[in-house]
Amino acid sequence: GENVEQHPSTLSVQEGDSAVIKCTYSDSASNYFPWYKQELGKGPQLIIDIRSNVGEKKDQRIAVTLNKTAKHFSLHITETQPEDSAVYFCAASIGVRGSTLGRLYFGRGTQLTVWP
Amino acid sequence: DAGVTQSPTHLIKTRGQQVTLRCSPKSGHDTVSWYQQALGQGPQFIFQYYEEEERQRGNFPDRFSGHQFPNYSSELNVNALLLGDSALYLCASSYFDRGDQPQHFGDGTRLSIL
Repeated sequence: GENVEQHPSTLSVQEGDSAVIKCTYSDSASNYFPWYKQELGKGPQLIIDIRSNVGEKKDQRIAVTLNKTAKHFSLHITETQPEDSAVYFCAASIGVRGSTLGRLYFGRGTQLTVWP
Repeated sequence: DAGVTQSPTHLIKTRGQQVTLRCSPKSGHDTVSWYQQALGQGPQFIFQYYEEEERQRGNFPDRFSGHQFPNYSSELNVNALLLGDSALYLCASSYFDRGDQPQHFGDGTRLSIL
């Protein structure tokens, strides 16, 4: 099955700095890569996703890049704010149009702390 | 627009007991997936239900079973509880025929086994 590795496990940055979280995957059939943010006592919340036919996607301060050849994808958060502090998870899956999104394989998570 | 709702939020059981967790999917969604999240870990896939049938299953023993109802809501049942079953159980919903659409998660049920 798919194996998703995520680094670093913890990340501390000063408010206003950028944060980068990296993930690798093993199954070349994976074609859908979401990122989730999980705050204490809450479930994972989708913040951005990317599909294998796209190399980069941005949404305000958040961006994700995908390198299919190297099988790695990264989350970039610019101008970090204290409210960005949370655990971030990357995931990989096989989604087939006309069928269901397959099971999500998650990384182990990154605890991001943004200091004011 | 109601999101994914799960009940109860917390549950305490003892070893050997049985438990049932409940999930109502996001409005319009017809597929429900269950995940187990141990402390400090990423969620692990248990199984997925569509049209009241189990469609995919992860590496979990038969003690874990589920059900989906005609209104798309779902239950997760765990029998013969072990200490290692202590975790956050998450439900996610999605559209079956929209494999390019994300799964949306509820806030989970925190299960503690004593």
